[in-house]
Amino acid sequence: DGGITQSPKYLFRKEGQNVTLSCEQNLNHDAMYWYRQDPGQGLRLIYYSQIVNDFQKGDIAEGYSVSREKKESFPLTVTSAQKNPTAFYLCASSTKRGGSSYEQYFGPGTRLTVT
Amino acid sequence: AQKVTQAQTEISVVEKEDVTLDCVYETRDTTYYLFWYKQPPSGELVFLIRRNSFDEQNEISGRYSWNFQKSTSSFNFTITASQVVDSAVYFCALSEASRGNKLVFGAGTILRVKS
Repeated sequence: DGGITQSPKYLFRKEGQNVTLSCEQNLNHDAMYWYRQDPGQGLRLIYYSQIVNDFQKGDIAEGYSVSREKKESFPLTVTSAQKNPTAFYLCASSTKRGGSSYEQYFGPGTRLTVT
Repeated sequence: AQKVTQAQTEISVVEKEDVTLDCVYETRDTTYYLFWYKQPPSGELVFLIRRNSFDEQNEISGRYSWNFQKSTSSFNFTITASQVVDSAVYFCALSEASRGNKLVFGAGTILRVKS
């Protein structure tokens, strides 16, 4: 089945540790995205990548880093510099053709708790 | 600046009632796209609909319908004969073609359907 996988579903870390969240897609989508969701709020864009080996900062990139070495994979690292890392993290992907804006498909999310 | 407003934080209805979720957006672009997503308790966002700014036709899909009005910058979502399985958080989102397919989400509306 085609889709997006994120692992693990729940992640617990101590403050001061870096942690990497995985995101894999087999939809053959060019573009991939990372969002953060806090309780009672909408999703906010952290980073996105429209092509392999290239990515751009979103609205709240501080304290996060990404890589895009393969089309299928877009891991997100939450660094110790992120002041409030506890949140629900969602990865998404979309096709990219011409200048149109296509729907993004989301993974199941990773709930990160940092204490 | 982009902005998506979902003024209804939470709505409660009884099963079989019709319910409309409001979405108002702001953009200076002439080419833009509007989306609705459903987030059930499992957390994964489910794509419902995509509309471009040049297509103001209303759309119906089963019990779901969407009313897009550029004159009022609104893209409202109606569920007819609601069911308990419709209980979820619903997000409206906007993207502008000039901004690389980045989605800006509203804060979401929690819909509770009681039996």
